[in-house]
Amino acid sequence: RKEVEQDPGPFNVPEGATVAFNCTYSNSASQSFFWYRQDCRKEPKLLMSVYSSGNEDGRFTAQLNRASQYISLLIRDSKLSDSATYLCVVNPKGTYGGSQGNLIFGKGTKLSVKP
Amino acid sequence: EAGVTQFPSHSVIEKGQTVTLRCDPISGHDNLYWYRRVMGKEIKFLLHFVKESKQDESGMPNNRFLAERTGGTYSTLKVQPAELEDSGVYFCASSQGGVGAASSYNEQFFGPGTRLTVL
Repeated sequence: RKEVEQDPGPFNVPEGATVAFNCTYSNSASQSFFWYRQDCRKEPKLLMSVYSSGNEDGRFTAQLNRASQYISLLIRDSKLSDSATYLCVVNPKGTYGGSQGNLIFGKGTKLSVKP
Repeated sequence: EAGVTQFPSHSVIEKGQTVTLRCDPISGHDNLYWYRRVMGKEIKFLLHFVKESKQDESGMPNNRFLAERTGGTYSTLKVQPAELEDSGVYFCASSQGGVGAASSYNEQFFGPGTRLTVL
């Protein structure tokens, strides 16, 4: 089983739609969770961090379910500019209880927002 | 504030040659990471520096890869000799904190990457 699994998509949605991405992780001791956004041939850019049960920032909401080892990202009122690949990223637990330095990435979910 | 920078942006070399990639982290970030994405795969961790020391090099694929961070500022990643399977995009990231309590202090910011092609 992969450490971080995502539906690869692509998700093709019209402008204004609400879209949700799901992600599961295998290490139950994982400490922190992130959604990064990656545009074609660009670097990953941090979109949201999730340290407790969830986080909301404008049109974006991330939720964490530790019991099910599941993270989601909800995008409301999709814009053309939201088209990108969304990477689910997990930071595992370190030796001394806190986060480890290395990030574990999913393969990403591709989103295409159409006019 | 300047972000993470990487040089070169692209490199095309022949199998058996040597290539050195450079990363300049965000000023004041003690933690520096190297990652790699090969075609069709997810981004994978290579190693983590805290200042000039290697905190974790568990992701380094083999001894053809050598990373250094002399003086705790910029870092280099040398591949010698390069093989075909080394082709991919090499990303560098930096953060203020590295290990410890989960917080924004440990968030990692990525550079634009170096696209390496080995022929």
